[in-house]
Amino acid sequence: AQKITQTQPGMFVQEKEAVTLDCTYDTSDPSYGLFWYKQPSSGEMIFLIYQGSYDQQNATEGRYSLNFQKARKSANLVISASQLGDSAMYFCAMREPSGNTPLVFGKGTRLSVIA
Amino acid sequence: EADIYQTPRYLVIGTGKKITLECSQTMGHDKMYWYQQDPGMELHLIHYSYGVNSTEKGDLSSESTVSRIRTEHFPLTLESARPSHTSQYLCASSGGGGQFNEKLFFGSGTQLSVL
Repeated sequence: AQKITQTQPGMFVQEKEAVTLDCTYDTSDPSYGLFWYKQPSSGEMIFLIYQGSYDQQNATEGRYSLNFQKARKSANLVISASQLGDSAMYFCAMREPSGNTPLVFGKGTRLSVIA
Repeated sequence: EADIYQTPRYLVIGTGKKITLECSQTMGHDKMYWYQQDPGMELHLIHYSYGVNSTEKGDLSSESTVSRIRTEHFPLTLESARPSHTSQYLCASSGGGGQFNEKLFFGSGTQLSVL
Protein backbone atom coordinates (compact mmCIF):
# COMPACT_ATOMS: atom_id res chain seq x y z
CA ALA A 1 0.00 0.00 0.00
CA GLN A 2 1.15 3.51 -0.75
CA LYS A 3 2.51 5.12 2.41
CA ILE A 4 2.35 8.65 1.05
CA THR A 5 -0.32 9.83 -1.40
CA GLN A 6 -0.17 13.08 -3.30
CA THR A 7 -3.28 13.24 -5.47
CA GLN A 8 -2.45 16.40 -7.43
CA PRO A 9 0.02 15.67 -10.25
CA GLY A 10 0.00 19.33 -11.24
CA MET A 11 -1.22 22.62 -9.82
CA PHE A 12 -1.36 26.18 -11.11
CA VAL A 13 -1.47 29.28 -8.93
CA GLN A 14 -1.44 32.98 -9.65
CA GLU A 15 1.51 34.93 -8.34
CA LYS A 16 0.90 36.39 -4.85
CA GLU A 17 -1.94 33.92 -4.18
CA ALA A 18 -1.84 31.11 -1.60
CA VAL A 19 -1.84 27.45 -2.66
CA THR A 20 -2.37 24.17 -0.81
CA LEU A 21 -0.62 20.98 -1.86
CA ASP A 22 -2.27 17.83 -0.56
CA CYS A 23 -0.59 14.93 1.19
CA THR A 24 -2.15 11.98 2.97
CA TYR A 25 -0.21 9.23 4.67
CA ASP A 26 -0.73 5.74 5.97
CA THR A 27 0.80 4.44 9.16
CA SER A 28 -0.23 2.47 12.20
CA ASP A 29 2.67 3.82 14.23
CA PRO A 30 1.72 6.62 16.68
CA SER A 31 5.17 8.18 16.26
CA TYR A 32 6.29 9.49 12.91
CA GLY A 33 7.72 12.49 11.15
CA LEU A 34 6.42 14.24 8.05
CA PHE A 35 8.57 16.29 5.68
CA TRP A 36 8.09 18.44 2.61
CA TYR A 37 10.81 18.95 0.00
CA LYS A 38 10.99 21.21 -3.02
CA GLN A 39 12.75 20.16 -6.23
CA PRO A 40 13.31 22.95 -8.78
CA SER A 41 14.09 22.16 -12.40
CA SER A 42 17.79 22.13 -11.52
CA GLY A 43 17.15 18.85 -9.70
CA GLU A 44 18.36 19.42 -6.15
CA MET A 45 16.09 18.54 -3.25
CA ILE A 46 15.48 21.37 -0.79
CA PHE A 47 14.04 20.72 2.68
CA LEU A 48 11.09 22.99 3.45
CA ILE A 49 9.32 21.98 6.62
CA TYR A 50 8.93 19.23 9.23
CA GLN A 51 6.02 18.10 11.41
CA GLY A 52 6.26 15.52 14.17
CA SER A 53 3.25 13.40 15.03
CA TYR A 54 3.24 14.65 18.61
CA ASP A 55 3.73 18.31 17.78
CA GLN A 56 0.83 20.29 19.18
CA GLN A 57 1.03 23.13 16.72
CA ASN A 58 1.20 23.16 12.96
CA ALA A 59 4.72 23.77 11.69
CA THR A 60 5.54 27.05 9.97
CA GLU A 61 8.68 28.21 8.14
CA GLY A 62 8.38 31.62 6.57
CA ARG A 63 5.83 31.42 3.75
CA TYR A 64 5.42 27.67 4.27
CA SER A 65 3.02 26.15 6.75
CA LEU A 66 1.82 22.65 7.27
CA ASN A 67 -1.87 21.96 7.82
CA PHE A 68 -1.58 18.86 9.97
CA GLN A 69 -4.79 16.92 10.59
CA LYS A 70 -3.76 13.83 12.48
CA ALA A 71 -7.16 12.13 12.60
CA ARG A 72 -7.49 12.44 8.84
CA LYS A 73 -3.84 11.50 8.33
CA SER A 74 -3.20 14.52 6.18
CA ALA A 75 -0.28 16.93 6.10
CA ASN A 76 -1.00 19.54 3.47
CA LEU A 77 1.59 22.16 2.58
CA VAL A 78 0.36 25.73 2.33
CA ILE A 79 2.46 28.26 0.46
CA SER A 80 1.37 31.84 1.01
CA ALA A 81 2.03 34.73 -1.38
CA SER A 82 3.32 32.52 -4.20
CA GLN A 83 6.35 33.67 -6.14
CA LEU A 84 7.56 32.68 -9.59
CA GLY A 85 10.50 30.95 -7.93
CA ASP A 86 8.08 28.59 -6.19
CA SER A 87 7.51 26.78 -9.49
CA ALA A 88 8.90 23.31 -8.82
CA MET A 89 8.06 19.73 -7.86
CA TYR A 90 7.00 19.31 -4.25
CA PHE A 91 7.38 16.02 -2.42
CA CYS A 92 5.79 14.90 0.82
CA ALA A 93 7.70 12.29 2.81
CA MET A 94 7.35 10.31 6.01
CA ARG A 95 9.62 8.52 8.43
CA GLU A 96 8.41 5.93 10.92
CA PRO A 97 10.76 5.05 13.77
CA SER A 98 10.03 1.34 13.75
CA GLY A 99 12.94 -0.40 12.08
CA ASN A 100 14.72 2.92 11.72
CA THR A 101 13.49 3.16 8.15
CA PRO A 102 14.57 5.87 5.72
CA LEU A 103 12.24 8.51 4.34
CA VAL A 104 9.47 7.34 2.03
CA PHE A 105 8.41 9.86 -0.61
CA GLY A 106 5.14 10.50 -2.40
CA LYS A 107 4.89 10.86 -6.18
CA GLY A 108 5.07 14.64 -5.99
CA THR A 109 3.04 17.61 -7.21
CA ARG A 110 4.30 19.94 -9.92
CA LEU A 111 3.44 23.53 -9.00
CA SER A 112 3.45 26.23 -11.66
CA VAL A 113 3.19 29.86 -10.59
CA ILE A 114 1.71 32.17 -13.22
CA ALA A 115 2.58 35.85 -13.42
CA GLU B 1 24.49 24.58 5.43
CA ALA B 2 24.66 21.11 3.92
CA ASP B 3 27.86 19.85 2.34
CA ILE B 4 27.19 16.80 0.26
CA TYR B 5 28.79 16.39 -3.11
CA GLN B 6 28.05 14.17 -6.05
CA THR B 7 30.23 13.61 -9.09
CA PRO B 8 29.88 13.58 -11.97
CA ARG B 9 26.89 15.89 -12.46
CA TYR B 10 26.18 14.40 -15.89
CA LEU B 11 27.40 11.13 -17.40
CA VAL B 12 26.78 9.64 -20.84
CA ILE B 13 28.19 6.17 -21.38
CA GLY B 14 27.76 3.16 -23.60
CA THR B 15 26.06 -0.09 -22.73
CA GLY B 16 28.18 -2.56 -20.82
CA LYS B 17 30.48 -0.06 -19.18
CA LYS B 18 31.28 -0.17 -15.49
CA ILE B 19 30.64 3.10 -13.71
CA THR B 20 30.93 4.49 -10.21
CA LEU B 21 28.90 7.45 -9.01
CA GLU B 22 30.63 9.29 -6.22
CA CYS B 23 29.01 10.79 -3.13
CA SER B 24 30.80 12.47 -0.25
CA GLN B 25 29.62 14.48 2.74
CA THR B 26 31.56 16.57 5.19
CA MET B 27 28.96 16.73 7.96
CA GLY B 28 29.99 13.56 9.76
CA HIS B 29 26.55 12.05 9.17
CA ASP B 30 26.28 8.36 9.99
CA LYS B 31 23.42 7.67 7.59
CA MET B 32 23.64 7.88 3.80
CA TYR B 33 21.21 7.01 1.04
CA TRP B 34 20.91 6.56 -2.71
CA TYR B 35 17.65 7.36 -4.46
CA GLN B 36 16.79 6.86 -8.13
CA GLN B 37 14.43 9.29 -9.81
CA ASP B 38 13.08 9.45 -13.36
CA PRO B 39 12.22 12.98 -14.61
CA GLY B 40 9.27 14.47 -12.76
CA MET B 41 8.63 11.24 -10.91
CA GLU B 42 8.90 9.99 -7.34
CA LEU B 43 12.11 9.06 -5.59
CA HIS B 44 12.85 5.38 -5.10
CA LEU B 45 15.28 4.25 -2.41
CA ILE B 46 17.84 1.84 -3.85
CA HIS B 47 20.50 1.63 -1.12
CA TYR B 48 21.19 2.98 2.33
CA SER B 49 23.80 2.77 5.03
CA TYR B 50 23.61 3.50 8.74
CA GLY B 51 27.33 3.42 9.32
CA VAL B 52 30.69 2.18 8.17
CA ASN B 53 30.61 -1.38 6.79
CA SER B 54 26.81 -1.38 6.94
CA THR B 55 24.71 -1.32 3.76
CA GLU B 56 21.14 -2.29 2.97
CA LYS B 57 19.07 -2.60 -0.18
CA GLY B 58 16.12 -0.29 -0.56
CA ASP B 59 12.63 -0.76 -1.89
CA LEU B 60 13.54 -0.61 -5.56
CA SER B 61 15.37 -3.57 -6.97
CA SER B 62 18.63 -2.34 -8.38
CA GLU B 63 21.55 -3.94 -10.15
CA SER B 64 23.89 -1.49 -8.50
CA THR B 65 26.09 -2.05 -5.48
CA VAL B 66 27.37 0.28 -2.78
CA SER B 67 30.13 0.35 -0.22
CA ARG B 68 30.71 2.31 2.98
CA ILE B 69 34.33 2.04 3.98
CA ARG B 70 34.57 5.59 5.29
CA THR B 71 31.88 7.64 7.04
CA GLU B 72 32.05 10.44 4.52
CA HIS B 73 32.04 8.37 1.33
CA PHE B 74 29.21 6.28 -0.20
CA PRO B 75 29.90 5.36 -3.83
CA LEU B 76 27.43 3.54 -6.05
CA THR B 77 28.69 1.15 -8.74
CA LEU B 78 27.04 -0.31 -11.82
CA GLU B 79 29.07 -3.26 -13.10
CA SER B 80 27.48 -3.25 -16.55
CA ALA B 81 25.36 -0.27 -17.47
CA ARG B 82 22.22 -0.70 -19.58
CA PRO B 83 19.79 1.80 -21.15
CA SER B 84 17.27 0.91 -18.42
CA HIS B 85 19.69 2.47 -15.91
CA THR B 86 19.19 5.89 -17.48
CA SER B 87 17.91 8.05 -14.64
CA GLN B 88 18.86 10.64 -12.05
CA TYR B 89 20.66 9.33 -8.99
CA LEU B 90 20.39 11.36 -5.81
CA CYS B 91 22.63 10.87 -2.80
CA ALA B 92 21.55 12.04 0.64
CA SER B 93 22.76 11.95 4.22
CA SER B 94 21.31 12.49 7.67
CA GLY B 95 22.45 12.39 11.25
CA GLY B 96 22.41 13.98 14.65
CA GLY B 97 18.66 14.11 14.99
CA GLY B 98 16.13 12.16 16.94
CA GLN B 99 14.44 8.96 16.02
CA PHE B 100 12.21 10.30 13.28
CA ASN B 101 12.90 13.99 12.86
CA GLU B 102 16.17 13.77 10.96
CA LYS B 103 15.90 15.60 7.68
CA LEU B 104 17.83 14.43 4.66
CA PHE B 105 20.44 16.63 3.01
CA PHE B 106 20.69 15.95 -0.71
CA GLY B 107 23.46 16.29 -3.22
CA SER B 108 22.88 17.89 -6.62
CA GLY B 109 22.39 14.50 -8.28
CA THR B 110 24.02 12.62 -11.16
CA GLN B 111 22.07 12.47 -14.40
CA LEU B 112 23.07 9.18 -16.06
CA SER B 113 22.37 8.38 -19.69
CA VAL B 114 23.25 4.95 -21.03
CA LEU B 115 23.24 4.65 -24.80
